[in-house]
Formats: sequence, structure tokens, C-alpha cells
Amino acid sequence: DAKTTQPPSMDCAEGRAANLPCNHSTISGNEYVYWYRQIHSQGPQYIIHGLKNNETNEMASLIITEDRKSSTLILPHATLRDTAVYYCIVRAYTGGFKTIFGAGTRLFVKA
Amino acid sequence: DTGVSQDPRHKITKRGQNVTFRCDPISEHNRLYWYRQTLGQGPEFLTYFQNEAQLEKSRLLSDRFSAERPKGSFSTLEIQRTEQGDSAMYLCASSLPKWGYTFGSGTRLTVV
Repeated sequence: DAKTTQPPSMDCAEGRAANLPCNHSTISGNEYVYWYRQIHSQGPQYIIHGLKNNETNEMASLIITEDRKSSTLILPHATLRDTAVYYCIVRAYTGGFKTIFGAGTRLFVKA
Repeated sequence: DTGVSQDPRHKITKRGQNVTFRCDPISEHNRLYWYRQTLGQGPEFLTYFQNEAQLEKSRLLSDRFSAERPKGSFSTLEIQRTEQGDSAMYLCASSLPKWGYTFGSGTRLTVV
């Protein structure tokens, strides 16, 4: 079973920041938080990952709470092309291992 | 080598036929994964390879499914005696130990 909880859907206005929440209250000390997104008919695309510090790259920012039980993915200036399903996943750095995907959050960016 | 390649992109087959899909990972990635995805659901894990060794298989991978990764390079996923319930998108991903997965575009299987 997926170890994360995400809202099933969210709306965002084009040009505004999209803040996608994720709860992972049972996260272990050696587990990282990963975010992927999937645009219709394509394979999932890696966005960002982090352990406990906030992370930023060219696509997004990841904010992880101090207790690590939740995180937020931030798309600073959402565009129509950011409409997709966003998956929040936790998994250990070491080992394989399989990544368990939940149902994700369907983000609709509206003009 | 710019990404993970999957072939074919689409496959329509009659129930009872065998099908084989191919995945070419990013060349320096030693880990390779197969997932299955049905409409409206997240990808479901099927199996995982580290180099040529198949290290984990999901219970979803029945006896009709077999996966190989000879020489630790490309991988194949074969489904024997296909059933309508096998209709899905089959996704391949590869990775290095420290990073996220790179997924291919998938093979969409339709069993009629």
C-alpha cells in the first residue's frame, strides 16, 4: 500500500503558485520524499526529491516539515502544461527498491 | 542516449496470444523496473532488476508473465496466453541508486 496521502484533485490559476500537499506520517528515518508527475499518455516524470531540508530545482521546490510527516511541492508559476497527475512517494535511498505509487493528485491549471 | 525507450508503443492482440515488450534503459543505469498502469490508477510495481539479476517480483506477476534482462542491458517482458484483464499501459523505468526513476513512454496493450 502507498505510504502517502494526497488530495485527489486541485485547481490552480495559470501564473499562480500551485501548492500540492502530501502526508507521510509513517515515514522512516532513511526514507526520502520523491515527487513525480504524469501528463496524459506519458510515463511519469521525476520532479524532485529530498530528505529533510527544503530543495529547489528548475522545475519546483519541495518543502518538508521539521517532523518530516508532511511535505508540499510548489510549482512557482503554474502553466497550462503543468496540468498532470502528481505523485508523492517515500522510499529508502538504499536497496532497490520498488516505488509504490498511490493515486496521486490531479492538478488542473486553468487559464 | 537521451532516455528510456520502449517498443512497441501500442500493441493490439487477440486473447490467448503471447506478446513481448522491450525496454532499453539509459545505458549507465544499473536498475530497471517494470510497472503496469490501468486507467485512473497509479503505476503498479511488477518487477525489478539490478544489472541482470531479477531481485523482486510482485504478486501481480503471475506465471503467465516473465521478464528478463540478459547481460544487464535491455529488458523484455513477455505475457503468455493474454487475457482481457492484461489490457493496460506497461511502463519501464531505469535509475541509478541515488536518483529518481526515468520512465519510458510505455507500451499500451489492448487484448481483444
